[in-house]
Amino acid sequence: GAVVSQHPSRVICKSGTSVKIECRSLDFQATTMFWYRQFPKQSLMLMATSNEGSKATYEQGVEKDKFLINHASLTLSTLTVTSAHPEDSSFYICSARDTGGDSGANVLTFGAGSRLTVL
Amino acid sequence: LAKTTQPISMDSYEGQEVNITCSHNNIATNDYITWYQQFPSQGPRFIIQGYKTKVTNEVASLFIPADRKSSTLSLPRVSLSDTAVYYCLVGPYGSSNTGKLIFGQGTTLQVKP
Repeated sequence: GAVVSQHPSRVICKSGTSVKIECRSLDFQATTMFWYRQFPKQSLMLMATSNEGSKATYEQGVEKDKFLINHASLTLSTLTVTSAHPEDSSFYICSARDTGGDSGANVLTFGAGSRLTVL
Repeated sequence: LAKTTQPISMDSYEGQEVNITCSHNNIATNDYITWYQQFPSQGPRFIIQGYKTKVTNEVASLFIPADRKSSTLSLPRVSLSDTAVYYCLVGPYGSSNTGKLIFGQGTTLQVKP
């Protein structure tokens, strides 16, 4: 089945630095990927929709200059947390839909997530 | 996007059948219902998806009444490893669709020995 890989799984950085998280669709092409963040004991919150070859669409309240998304190919989307601060510490999860399968039943496949800790 | 409502938590014992119901009163005609399972510090994992009536796979069954305003995920004979958060999501699907999915609060299932 469809597999989405995220890297790194864990990252610790100092306040003020930038961190890049990669999301790859391993066995399918994804024109659209989605980025979520999740705080402890909370549900997933959609941050943005990443569109291959065009600008990402951000959800209300998500700073586009803070969370840079690049979707340069059909199998790779990246999320860069710029000038990270402790409040950006969270679990970031990407997902993609394999649209090459049955048209009426494709589902979102999620990556394993990336735990960001900002000191 | 259709909003979903689930119980916040449920307890069960090993070997029992667990039924988790989700309400989605404003589901649209082209919306599918999908359930995901999430373990701590992992991404959600697809369990089952349906449009109407009943769907069954190797791990669960999904019951959807005719009005589609609710759905019930049924887990037969749960084990300790089924302790997780279960999310019900509603959204349009199709090979040309790029619909986003909004997660509700989910149901934390605790299976006890």
